Amino acid sequence: AQSVSQHNHHVILSEAASLELGCNYSYGGTVNLFWYVQYPGQHLQLLLKYFSGDPLVKGIKGFEAEFIKSKFSFNLRKPSVQWSDTAEYVCAVNPYNNNDMRFGAGTRLTVKP
Amino acid sequence: NAGVTQTPKFQVLKTGQSMTLQCAQDMNHEYMSWYRQDPGMGLRLIHYSVGAGITDQGEVPNGYNVSRSTTEDFPLRLLSAAPSQTSVYFCASSSSRPPYRQYFGPGTRLTVT
Repeated sequence: AQSVSQHNHHVILSEAASLELGCNYSYGGTVNLFWYVQYPGQHLQLLLKYFSGDPLVKGIKGFEAEFIKSKFSFNLRKPSVQWSDTAEYVCAVNPYNNNDMRFGAGTRLTVKP
Repeated sequence: NAGVTQTPKFQVLKTGQSMTLQCAQDMNHEYMSWYRQDPGMGLRLIHYSVGAGITDQGEVPNGYNVSRSTTEDFPLRLLSAAPSQTSVYFCASSSSRPPYRQYFGPGTRLTVT
């Protein structure tokens, strides 16, 4: 069975620091990849997605993610975080032609002002 | 469009009580699902449905029932609540066409004492 791994459980950064959150998956076929964000007290929202084309995907609020097929990775990045980026970030993978979505355990990001 | 709606937002149950979590979507999505979110474990699929009248089990179905009598509604029933079912529950819906982006409801925080 495919799995999704997010290696960092909790990341603490100061404002203006750069961010990279890791996401690896174990599925070998064609996949669709997603990052969701859950701000405190809110529900999950889509941050960005990849399903074909340019492997560098731009999302909302200055986030981007790079799909590296050879490494089965879809890491999330932001050059300079803000206090308002404090949230839970969840990576998700689903195989092509399938609704079966698998989620990582999530990474809690705390940005200190 | 309201998207995906869930009620209630909060619920406290005593062990052994039953209840139904409501979920509705107005996007005419065929696929709907229920997840529970627990710290360190990410989102786990409880039950899902690929259309009205069709449901199936996910990773953690025990103690839960679902039905799908209409495209819009997908209620989750707890038959006899247990403390292990204390969690945050998310309903989601998605189209059955790629890239299968999921739309999440706001969640229901359930505490079983």
